[in-house]
Amino acid sequence: AQSVTQPDIHITVSEGASLELRCNYSYGATPYLFWYVQSPGQGLQLLLKYFSGDTLVQGIKGFEAEFKRSQSSFNLRKPSVHWSDAAEYFCAVVGTSGSRLTFGEGTQLTVNP
Amino acid sequence: NAGVMQNPRHLVRRRGQEARLRCSPMKGHSHVYWYRQLPEEGLKFMVYLQKENIIDESGMPKERFSAEFPKEGPSILRIQQVVRGDSAAYFCASSGRLEADTQYFGPGTRLTVL
Repeated sequence: AQSVTQPDIHITVSEGASLELRCNYSYGATPYLFWYVQSPGQGLQLLLKYFSGDTLVQGIKGFEAEFKRSQSSFNLRKPSVHWSDAAEYFCAVVGTSGSRLTFGEGTQLTVNP
Repeated sequence: NAGVMQNPRHLVRRRGQEARLRCSPMKGHSHVYWYRQLPEEGLKFMVYLQKENIIDESGMPKERFSAEFPKEGPSILRIQQVVRGDSAAYFCASSGRLEADTQYFGPGTRLTVL
């Protein structure tokens, strides 16, 4: 069964600092990977996705993520964080046969001024 | 281009009542997924439907919960005889193809059971 682990429950960074949110997955083949962001009381917005090809994917709002098969990781990065990035971030995986998303437990990001 | 729509956004029910949550997928999408987010927990898959068919309901509680996606109209998640433990945010997502296409989420329905 596929699974996703986000080791960091809560991360605090200063505005303007760089950010890396970790995500590790478990899946037998090459999975399809996603990062979503959820602001308080809101739904989930897709930041980026990896299906195949280039292992470094660019997303919206200046985010990027790198797929590393050898480490079973799909970490999310941003070079300079803005106060509006404060939210909860979810990594998710779906098998190549489609259907359900399996989510990590989420990482809550706090941005200090 | 309207996104996934869910209503109501907030729903309050007393124990024992029924809750009906509605989801209209994005235009052109024929696959609907329901997820539940319990307080302080991540999102858990509940059910996957196509028009008039339940494809995967392995995440649905065995009792009191049902879902449908009729030929016409929105998808409905129905919870009978609600209990306090049903209080959660329920999210609907839709996609356009079967093969691991991207799922787009609605704003959610926040159910509170008194």
